[in-house]
Formats: sequence, structure tokens, C-alpha cells
Amino acid sequence: AQSVSQHNHHVILSEAASLELGCNYSYGGTVNLFWYVQYPGQHLQLLLKYFSGDPLVKGIKGFEAEFIKSKFSFNLRKPSVQWSDTAEYFCAVKGAGKSTFGDGTTLTVKP
Amino acid sequence: KAGVTQTPRYLIKTRGQQVTLSCSPISGHRSVSWYQQTPGQGLQFLFEYFSETQRNKGNFPGRFSGRQFSNSRSEMNVSTLELGDSALYLCASSLNDRTYNEQFFGPGTRLTVL
Repeated sequence: AQSVSQHNHHVILSEAASLELGCNYSYGGTVNLFWYVQYPGQHLQLLLKYFSGDPLVKGIKGFEAEFIKSKFSFNLRKPSVQWSDTAEYFCAVKGAGKSTFGDGTTLTVKP
Repeated sequence: KAGVTQTPRYLIKTRGQQVTLSCSPISGHRSVSWYQQTPGQGLQFLFEYFSETQRNKGNFPGRFSGRQFSNSRSEMNVSTLELGDSALYLCASSLNDRTYNEQFFGPGTRLTVL
């Protein structure tokens, strides 16, 4: 069985602060990893994904994530957050056709 | 391209009733997945359909069922509704069943069971 653990339920930052959201997964086979974001009142949408190659992947809006296979981690980062990054962030793993999402991290950015 | 659409957007039912939710994927997408989202349980995978066949299933009771039509549209049915079925039901489509494909989510159907 696969599982995803997101370390923080709620993160509060000031604008221009750096962000790192932790994500660890458990799965024995080849996985594909995703970060999705849900802005207030909007649909879930893809931020970035990893399936092979360079373990450092870049997504939209300046976000990036690093896949560290030895640590089963896929942490999301952004060097300088903006008020518009206020949203809920979900890490997801897809293996053997099934998708498993973490519980989500609510990010609040104070102007 | 139009996004994933779900109907209805809101639904109120009483315990014991059944409900059918509908999802139209992005044009050309052949894989449709359903999720239940609740504050306590987060996003939980219900099932995935590809080319009218259920390919994967989550850990939900048999009261939850679905199907996919030849045009890739999908329906989800919940029979004998319970209070705990109150949730946001999300549909997501992807191009095919390749695991590296991202999913595109619809706005969801908010189901309230009284």
C-alpha cells in the first residue's frame, strides 16, 4: 500500500519569506510524484510533477521540488512567497495506477 | 479547451436515498478518477475508469459504484446514503492511464446528507 505524509498542516509566512513544505511517501515500486495546489474558491491544479530524470523539478509560479529517493521525500520549495500563494497544497504519489494524496498543508502568506 | 465539468454542483439528500453524480472529462481525455474530499479524511481515491473499464478501486464500500461511457463521461452512484457520505466529490481526468500523466480536476459536487 502507498501512503503520503505531509509534515505541516498549517504554515504561516510573511511575504518574501522562503517556503519549504515537506512530503514523504511510502511505496515499494516506481512512483510518480505530484504537487497540487488549491487556491481559495478554485479547483485543484497541478503545480509540478516528477516521473523520471532530473530530481529537481520546476513548476509554475516559481515553485520547485526535489525528489530524494533515499529519503522517500518530495519537498516543495519557493525562495520568496507572495500573498497570492495563500492556498492549500497537496502532495500526491501515483503508483500501480492508484493516486494517494497527503492531507494537505494550508499556507497563509501575510502581506 | 473546456475543463472538467461536474453536475450537479450541490446536492442535498436524506439518509437511505441514492445519488448519481456526473463528470465530463476534458475532450480527448480517456481516464476519469473520482475522489471524496472531507475535512477529516482529506482526499481519498474512490476509483478510476479508463476506456469504460474500472482499472483501480479505493477502499470504499460497495455502495459506491461508477461507470464510464464510450464518450469518456463518467457517473458515480452512491446507494443507501449515510450521514458520513457528506463530502465534496471530485472528478479528475487525464489523457490516458499512464501514471506520469497529471490529473485535471473539476469543481466538485458538494453532497450533503441529512
